[in-house]
Amino acid sequence: ETGVTQTPRHLVMGMTNKKSLKCEQHLGHNAMYWYKQSAKKPLELMFVYNFKEQTENNSVPSRFSPECPNSSHLFLHLHTLQPEDSALYLCASSHGLAGGARTGELFFGEGSRLTVL
Amino acid sequence: SQQGEEDPQALSIQEGENATMNCSYKTSINNLQWYRQNSGRGLVHLILIRSNEREKHSGRLRVTLDTSKKSSSLLITASRAADTASYFCEDNFNKFYFGSGTKLNVKP
Repeated sequence: ETGVTQTPRHLVMGMTNKKSLKCEQHLGHNAMYWYKQSAKKPLELMFVYNFKEQTENNSVPSRFSPECPNSSHLFLHLHTLQPEDSALYLCASSHGLAGGARTGELFFGEGSRLTVL
Repeated sequence: SQQGEEDPQALSIQEGENATMNCSYKTSINNLQWYRQNSGRGLVHLILIRSNEREKHSGRLRVTLDTSKKSSSLLITASRAADTASYFCEDNFNKFYFGSGTKLNVKP
C-alpha cells in the first residue's frame, strides 16, 4: 500500500467509448502525475499538476484529457482512443514542486491496465 | 535524450550473487533516485542519493554517485528471487523522466 490508489486496475474499451481513470492519494501531497508505460518503451511522462494547476503537458494527444479537482484527486478522461494507446497508465504523487523542481521521491499507484480494442 | 539511461538492459544471475546496474544522465542533478518495478505494477522508491553524496546504503542496496562521470550504480548484494524486477533511475533535475530500466532476473 503506497497511499496512491488507482481505479480501475483493468479497463477494456472500444475506440468509440468514453471512460475515465481515477487516482487518489492519501499522502498530503500537492503534486500529481500521469505516466504511460507501453510494452518495451520507457515510462512516458504525460501530465504534471502542482497545487491543482497543470504545469506539464508532454505533447499528449487531446483524446487524453486530465482533470485535477483538488490536490488529492487526479483523473484521466479517455475518448476516441486508438489501439496503440493500450498501455499501463501510472499515477504518482509527490510533495509540491518549487520552481518546477521536485526534491523528494515519487509515490506510484499500482496502475490501470488499459486495452483498446 | 533527456532521461537517465540504465545499463545493462537485462541481467540474469543466480540467487545469492550480487547484481550491479548502472545509470548515466546528461546534465547536472539535484539528486538521483532508484526505483524498482515488479511486472505490471507501480514503481517503488528504493533510495535517493544527493548530488553532494558519493555513496549510500540501505539494507542490501548500495548506491554510488560519480558526478564527474554523470553516472550512478546500484548494487544489490546477496540477491534473492524476489529481487526479480525492473530497476530505474531518475534524476530530478530533468524533471521526472525515466530511462528504459534494467530488467533483473534472479534465478532460484
